[in-house]
Amino acid sequence: DAKTTQPNSMESNEEEPVHLPCNHSTISGTDYIHWYRQLPSQGPEYVIHGLTSNVNNRMASLAIAEDRKSSTLILHRATLRDAAVYYCILIQGAQKLVFGQGTRLTINP
Amino acid sequence: SAVISQKPSRDICQRGTSLTIQCQVDSQVTMMFWYRQQPGQSLTLIATANQGSEATYESGFVIDKFPISRPNLTFSTLTVSNMSPEDSSIYLCSVESLHSYEQYFGPGTRLTVT
Repeated sequence: DAKTTQPNSMESNEEEPVHLPCNHSTISGTDYIHWYRQLPSQGPEYVIHGLTSNVNNRMASLAIAEDRKSSTLILHRATLRDAAVYYCILIQGAQKLVFGQGTRLTINP
Repeated sequence: SAVISQKPSRDICQRGTSLTIQCQVDSQVTMMFWYRQQPGQSLTLIATANQGSEATYESGFVIDKFPISRPNLTFSTLTVSNMSPEDSSIYLCSVESLHSYEQYFGPGTRLTVT
């Protein structure tokens, strides 16, 4: 499984945008980039995924570098409820998720 | 989306005993996954369970320790056998979406072994 690298922790303020980086320099052409988050005391939940083009949904945006060696999850206006551990995961086809350590996001009021 | 329930939500068990965790999904799914999350750690995949076939275990996990059943398309069980304090973790099941790339997770079972 291709490896991803994320900062251990990040901090932001409420109602400000948050950019969560992920490096995946060994990504293969068929790897999809997925983001999940785990709120305190809950199971992980899907956030967004993409292959080559930038993606937007109601939760977040995903910006993928042209060479696909990195990506950034963007929360446009963070709220306290966005405080969670965010995981960047590469997946090929079958949905076996391999979780790294993720980024613990703290949101300050 | 799929709604997943797990039983029990938490349990405290004595070493040497076994606990069976149930995972129920509100729709039929092909693949179900079992994960372990040790205190303060990320999730680790234990095994993949397909209906009608033996579960596929990840490196470091064996069937004798974590037997899995998958009797139908909406239900699975994971047994943690001959427990030791090192088995104290949160155990989560998940399923793949039939219509998208999303994977849905249950709320987890918090196991403490004394």
